[in-house]
Amino acid sequence: GQSLEQPSEVTAVEGAIVQINCTYQTSGFYGLSWYQQHDGGAPTFLSYNGLDGLEETGRFSSFLSRSDSYGYLLLQELQMKDSASYFCAVPQGGKLIFGQGTELSVKP
Amino acid sequence: GAVVSQHPSWVICKSGTSVKIECRSLDFQATTMFWYRQFPKQSLMLMATSNEGSKATYEQGVEKDKFLINHASLTLSTLTVTSAHPEDSSFYICSANRQGGTYEQYFGPGTRLTVT
Repeated sequence: GQSLEQPSEVTAVEGAIVQINCTYQTSGFYGLSWYQQHDGGAPTFLSYNGLDGLEETGRFSSFLSRSDSYGYLLLQELQMKDSASYFCAVPQGGKLIFGQGTELSVKP
Repeated sequence: GAVVSQHPSWVICKSGTSVKIECRSLDFQATTMFWYRQFPKQSLMLMATSNEGSKATYEQGVEKDKFLINHASLTLSTLTVTSAHPEDSSFYICSANRQGGTYEQYFGPGTRLTVT
């Protein structure tokens, strides 16, 4: 089977940096995706790591270490609009399996 | 980016009735679409994979006779919740991947179903 573990909640202040971790156990691994979902909205794709290392896209970066079965999403210069749920996900057998999600609250 | 639409965005129905939800890829063709349900503050649970021109593949524990999926064209998949009950009340979301990259899914805006 497969499992993805994320913290359920994270709180940070505007302008800060926050890291959301994801550890996984999967039978076969191709890479790790990250999605953002605002309350009541659709998930939107943020990033994908198919190889070890850091991928940077503006204020957001994502990291993967296959040897540690671990990845993280790093959000810099936090803004109030970053308050949302963040999901790590792995492609498996032609479908996407999601972690339980981390609810990020950004405070003034 | 690619656009996926869903209709309706919300629906209220009485117990025992059926509800159809449409998922359309607006600017690309999708041979495969996915249907999820999501309860408040929870993750997305994959219900089934919708395949154009063939039967849907359901995840374990999902009743195929209750959640009917039809993928009649390369841009349209429908989910019909039959004989709805209050416990079927949920947020239903569809998605598609544009060029075979499963890791990057484009999601519809979701349909909130309330069964009274």
